[in-house]
Amino acid sequence: QVQLVQSGAEVKKPGASVTVSCKASGYTFSNYYIHWLRQAPGQGLEWMGIIRSSAGPSQYTQEFQGRVTMTWDASTNTVYLHLSSLTSGDTAVYYCASEKKESYNFDFWGQGTLVTVSS
Amino acid sequence: EIVLTQSPGTLSLSPGERATLSCRASQSVSSNSLAWYQQKPGQAPRLLIYGASIRATGVPDRFSGGGSGTDFTLTISRLEPEDLAVYHCQQYELSGYIFGQGTKLEIK
Repeated sequence: QVQLVQSGAEVKKPGASVTVSCKASGYTFSNYYIHWLRQAPGQGLEWMGIIRSSAGPSQYTQEFQGRVTMTWDASTNTVYLHLSSLTSGDTAVYYCASEKKESYNFDFWGQGTLVTVSS
Repeated sequence: EIVLTQSPGTLSLSPGERATLSCRASQSVSSNSLAWYQQKPGQAPRLLIYGASIRATGVPDRFSGGGSGTDFTLTISRLEPEDLAVYHCQQYELSGYIFGQGTKLEIK
């Protein structure tokens, strides 16, 4: 059974950066991709990007280009989301989710991490 | 870029009734990459349907998906109080993964 366990809630000031972790277990990692998505309060889901393996390139949606980095630590099976230059508009719950290669859907999700950006 | 429009925005029905949720794409999309998710209050989304009509593991057969081209539906027969949730449709295209704005299902 796939399990994705995320790090805890964060409170940041505008202009700061945040790193959220997602520890994966219970599956063959070479068969899966990991995605990051977010959901602002009362809003829908927004896809941020994908990391396909510890060695492969990440792909980010245009909105976050230049201030997002996704990395994969193969030694601990943990994926990281780093988001910089935070504004109040980045206040959201951030989710990691897995995709079985080329299935085009998100079959397992982390529990979510609330990031609050406030002065 | 493809836009997914879900309707209605909110649906209020009684237990035992049938719910029909719509997801319309701004251009024809592949059924292979159309998925539906259920998000209960305070929880992460859960995959319900993928490939437009295939139930994910453990999903009750009260949930069914259908459609093709630009029009897709999620049908929940025999509503139960636990079906209270927001339902999201999602599509993949070359530039990424797109979601509709969600339909909130209220149980009277």
